[in-house]
Amino acid sequence: QSVLTQPPSASGTPGQRVTISCSGSSSNIGSNTVNWYQQLPGTAPKLLIYSNNQRPSGVPDRFSGSKSGTSASLAISGLQSEDEADYYCAAWDDSLKGWVFGGGTKLTVL
Amino acid sequence: QVQLQQSGPGLVKPSQTLSLTCAISGDSVSSNSAAWNWIRQSPSRGLEWLGRTYYRSKWYNDYAVSVKSRITINPDTSKNQFSLQLNSVTPEDTAVYYCAREIVAGPESGYNWFDPWGQGTLVTVSS
Repeated sequence: QSVLTQPPSASGTPGQRVTISCSGSSSNIGSNTVNWYQQLPGTAPKLLIYSNNQRPSGVPDRFSGSKSGTSASLAISGLQSEDEADYYCAAWDDSLKGWVFGGGTKLTVL
Repeated sequence: QVQLQQSGPGLVKPSQTLSLTCAISGDSVSSNSAAWNWIRQSPSRGLEWLGRTYYRSKWYNDYAVSVKSRITINPDTSKNQFSLQLNSVTPEDTAVYYCAREIVAGPESGYNWFDPWGQGTLVTVSS
């Protein structure tokens, strides 16, 4: 069981906006920044959002992140078929003294 | 552009040692603004951080509690790479193993993130 909690699945139709939640605790999300990774089928995870809401160069502005208290969210607007992937949140945990991940959310574009 | 290239066997026998290497291009294993991590992924355990090595005037290692008694991560400055050794493996260690650069963005690890990741190596533990 993962330290960070994500819904196992999410879905939307092209053009829609979807959000994926990530819930943690005071020792991880509550006191550190949250990063999001996208994993396309058969590939390694790729950085999508860092420092709660920053996009790396090359990531479309359709992707956005936010954090409040011990929870974080990833929002994808203008959903496209190419967004179909697994999405993971991650944060440093001060109690465990290590990185923790969410269980992943499989996004399906209907 | 930083790239990480993993190498190592895909099949390991139970009780033996799993060994993987991650070669770095475009950055240095001795960088003061990075840490070098191993992470694994399996259907049963999801993404699991295993540990890291980094240089800050001297070498440091941090390991996950779950594998602390069995893991060693070593830098190799002559080849600009780092390695993972996991001892006494069991079938539960079967997973895709990734190396990843951790970008240091602040005074604490809580400010950091992973970018990029290696291509992944499927390691199966079986006799």
